[in-house]
Amino acid sequence: AQKVTQAQTEISVVEKEDVTLDCVYETRDTTYYLFWYKQPPSGELVFLIRRNSFDEQNEISGRYSWNFQKSTSSFNFTITASQVVDSAVYFCALSVGSSYNTDKLIFGTGTRLQVFP
Amino acid sequence: EAGVVQSPRYKIIEKKQPVAFWCNPISGHNTLYWYRQNLGQGPELLIRYENEEAVDDSQLPKDRFSAERLKGVDSTLKIQPAELGDSAVYLCASSRRLMISGMGDTQYFGPGTRLTVL
Repeated sequence: AQKVTQAQTEISVVEKEDVTLDCVYETRDTTYYLFWYKQPPSGELVFLIRRNSFDEQNEISGRYSWNFQKSTSSFNFTITASQVVDSAVYFCALSVGSSYNTDKLIFGTGTRLQVFP
Repeated sequence: EAGVVQSPRYKIIEKKQPVAFWCNPISGHNTLYWYRQNLGQGPELLIRYENEEAVDDSQLPKDRFSAERLKGVDSTLKIQPAELGDSAVYLCASSRRLMISGMGDTQYFGPGTRLTVL
């Protein structure tokens, strides 16, 4: 079975602080993808990043960085120098398999990030 | 490039009434998904279409939910009759099919329809 766990329900920080959102996944498949999506108060899920199971390189995009560690089945997301506009619910998601019929995204329960000025 | 379009954005109905949601995917995306997101939870897949064909509807409550994707573009999700427990946000997403690997590309989501059943 596949599962995504985001243990942090809610995090509050003050602007300019760094914050890390944790994501732990479970799957027996060797081929899978991991994602992070942002859901601002408007409700739309905004795609942030996609990583495949064969690429463990960390990635940095502006103030965002992602740490993928297969050894601990984790795909953590760090926001450096947080801003009020970063306030949202962040979802980690998993899709597994390499065949035509396996494109279901399995989401965690999300982490609500509140950044205060 | 225009994103996924959904309408209506909000819908309030009384229980036992029918309701329908509409989705227009990103142009060129042949895979379309409907998800339901309950309050405080992540989205859960209801149904996935490859062009006109529903290839995964295992999570769709077929006694009251139906969906269609005529001509392989727009899609409609219907609930009849609605129950109190159907109150949720209904999200539509679309993606391309990667021709070489056969896997789906990244899913892009619409703004959702927030349904309230009274």
